[in-house]
Amino acid sequence: ETGVTQSPTHLIKTRGQQVTLRCSSQSGHNTVSWYQQALGQGPQFIFQYYREEENGRGNFPPRFSGLQFPNYSSELNVNALELDDSALYLCASSPPGVYTEAFFGQGTRLTVV
Amino acid sequence: KQEVTQIPAALSVPEGENLVLNCSFTDSAIYNLQWFRQDPGKGLTSLLLIQSSQREQTSGRLNASLDKSSGRSTLYIAASQPGDSATYLCAVSSSAGNNRKLIWGLGTSLAVNP
Repeated sequence: ETGVTQSPTHLIKTRGQQVTLRCSSQSGHNTVSWYQQALGQGPQFIFQYYREEENGRGNFPPRFSGLQFPNYSSELNVNALELDDSALYLCASSPPGVYTEAFFGQGTRLTVV
Repeated sequence: KQEVTQIPAALSVPEGENLVLNCSFTDSAIYNLQWFRQDPGKGLTSLLLIQSSQREQTSGRLNASLDKSSGRSTLYIAASQPGDSATYLCAVSSSAGNNRKLIWGLGTSLAVNP
């Protein structure tokens, strides 16, 4: 077990709704990254937060937004949900340093109907 | 633009076989490379991390090698067991910019048959 926890583990939303996913990073880790993994695909980078600031973003529209809190936990918010947003959302935390390992939570399975 | 490819896409072997999973990447400017295991519908478990300056890492029956200049990594699994059945993903940590995003292959789906 990595110490990275995500909530909820599963949820179902209706197209057009908004959703907030949460991630509690491992103790001592100041960097959190979010990834989207569609069925049968590799994860795709959404964005990264470092010490409460967005520190890089992948090819995702602005309706994907995030926050990092002073305790380094993080939220991923998705507005105006679309059917294609159905995926496993993965959070990873990393300790300080450039060459450090990423530790993943168990993921949140989002289904948009 | 960094691209990661994994071969084969799927592999089915009898229990006890030694096997090799391959990962290739197009840009050698990486911080590190990680191998992960993913069980169906589950999150990612880190198996091995190889820094860009290293050649290989070992953990139990697993051995991963890295040849940065040729853009290749292999994951060697010795004496495979049914419990090894899962999808294996490799990811490289990009060295471009300030963020350390991971760029992923599509994975190799492994089935080890009793």
